[in-house]
Amino acid sequence: EPEVTQTPSHQVTQMGQEVILRCVPISNHLYFYWYRQILGQKVEFLVSFYNNEISEKSEIFDDQFSVERPDGSNFTLKIRSTKLEDSAMYFCASSESIGNNYGYTFGSGTRLTVV
Amino acid sequence: AQSVAQPEDQVNVAEGNPLTVKCTYSVSGNPYLFWYVQYPNRGLQFLLKYITGDNLVKGSYGFEAEFNKSQTSFHLKKPSALVSDSALYFCAVRDGDTGFQKLVFGTGTRLLVSP
Repeated sequence: EPEVTQTPSHQVTQMGQEVILRCVPISNHLYFYWYRQILGQKVEFLVSFYNNEISEKSEIFDDQFSVERPDGSNFTLKIRSTKLEDSAMYFCASSESIGNNYGYTFGSGTRLTVV
Repeated sequence: AQSVAQPEDQVNVAEGNPLTVKCTYSVSGNPYLFWYVQYPNRGLQFLLKYITGDNLVKGSYGFEAEFNKSQTSFHLKKPSALVSDSALYFCAVRDGDTGFQKLVFGTGTRLLVSP
């Protein structure tokens, strides 16, 4: 079964530091996403990415956030200057839109702790 | 904009009894509906989806869900609960008539199955 892989599984960073969360989506998928979940709460959409550009973003995804697909396999989320409230579980997902599949596969997440 | 409501924070059921986890949705176009399960400190695992066709959808681990357009509901069911089904369950919706691919999640329902 193809998987979405996220690294690292845990990241602790000091407030104000930059972090990069990494994801390897499923190889034949076309759409990529980042979601976050503050401890035990709702899963919130951050951004979607298609054809090397952002296709949609939420109000959470402000100028502190950026996404990139630096090569053919990785998809990254960068937070430029982390705040305490950025502490959350960050999930990467990918999907294909061919036919009627519309399947979304999520990675196991990166737990980000900002201290 | 689409939204999902999961009216119960927690559902308690005894092992062997049937379980239902409720979900209602709001979307302007055709609803694409999904259920995901999250075990402690883990990612989101796909259970089942409704895109089109038969209103009763069967998924992983013996779960099923019934799409009811008139009631805008997509309740998750299982005929006989297992202790191992105890987890956090998320319903999600996507507007199938727009080019936007994002999933919008409900707040989650914690299922507790007692022995």
